[in-house]
Amino acid sequence: EAGVVQSPRYKIIEKKQPVAFWCNPISGHNTLYWYRQNLGQGPELLIRYENEEAVDDSQLPKDRFSAERLKGVDSTLKIQPAELGDSAVYLCASSLSGHTGELFFGEGSRLTVL
Amino acid sequence: SQQGEEDPQALSIQEGENATMNCSYKTSINNLQWYRQNSGRGLVHLILIRSNEREKHSGRLRVTLDTSKKSSSLLITASRAADTASYFCATFRNSGNTPLVFGKGTRLSVIA
Repeated sequence: EAGVVQSPRYKIIEKKQPVAFWCNPISGHNTLYWYRQNLGQGPELLIRYENEEAVDDSQLPKDRFSAERLKGVDSTLKIQPAELGDSAVYLCASSLSGHTGELFFGEGSRLTVL
Repeated sequence: SQQGEEDPQALSIQEGENATMNCSYKTSINNLQWYRQNSGRGLVHLILIRSNEREKHSGRLRVTLDTSKKSSSLLITASRAADTASYFCATFRNSGNTPLVFGKGTRLSVIA
C-alpha cells in the first residue's frame, strides 16, 4: 500500500514568489493534516481536514497561506507571496477519520525562500 | 504552541548502550505517542500509550507514562547506529476535537 505522497520534495524560490505543495494521503484516510516544521523544532499544525472540510485552521496565516482539499482526497497548500520566514519543511499527514491513533507522514516538502 | 517538551534536547551514546528520552506535557491527555524522524525524512510512528496504561513495549522500545506527573519516557535498549534520529513525543488531548501536538524532539546520536 502506498504511503502519503508529497511533492515537490525541494523548492527554492525568491521572496514574494508563490509556491504550492501537493499531498496525496493514504487511501481511505479521511483526515488530512498539514504541519510546518522549522529547523530543530517539532511539527506545528497549520490545518486539519475531515474530508473536504477544514476543521482546524486556527494556526494557518490566512493573509498569505491557503489550502484546499477538493473531493476529500488530494490537498494543496499554497503560499503567496512567500517570505523569508516561510523557509521550513511542510509535512502532510493522514489518519483514519475521527481517529486518535497514529498519523502517517509523507517525506515532506523542504522550502527555501531567498 | 507545543504541548510536549522532550528532555534532553540532544543525546549521544555508544552503540549497545541504552538511550532514555523523557517527555513532559501540560494538560490531560487521551494518549501519548512517540515518533522518529531520520534526517531529511518524514516522521514515523513508533508507539502509542493510552492514558490508562502505564507501560508498553515494542521490540527494543519501552515506553512509560505517569499521568500524575504528566510525563513519559522512551527507552531504547541495545542501541544501534541506525537508531540515530530525532525522537518526538506527541499528545492527543482529552478536551475537544483537538489534533496531535508535538514536542521539540530529542536528537539521538548512536556512535558505532
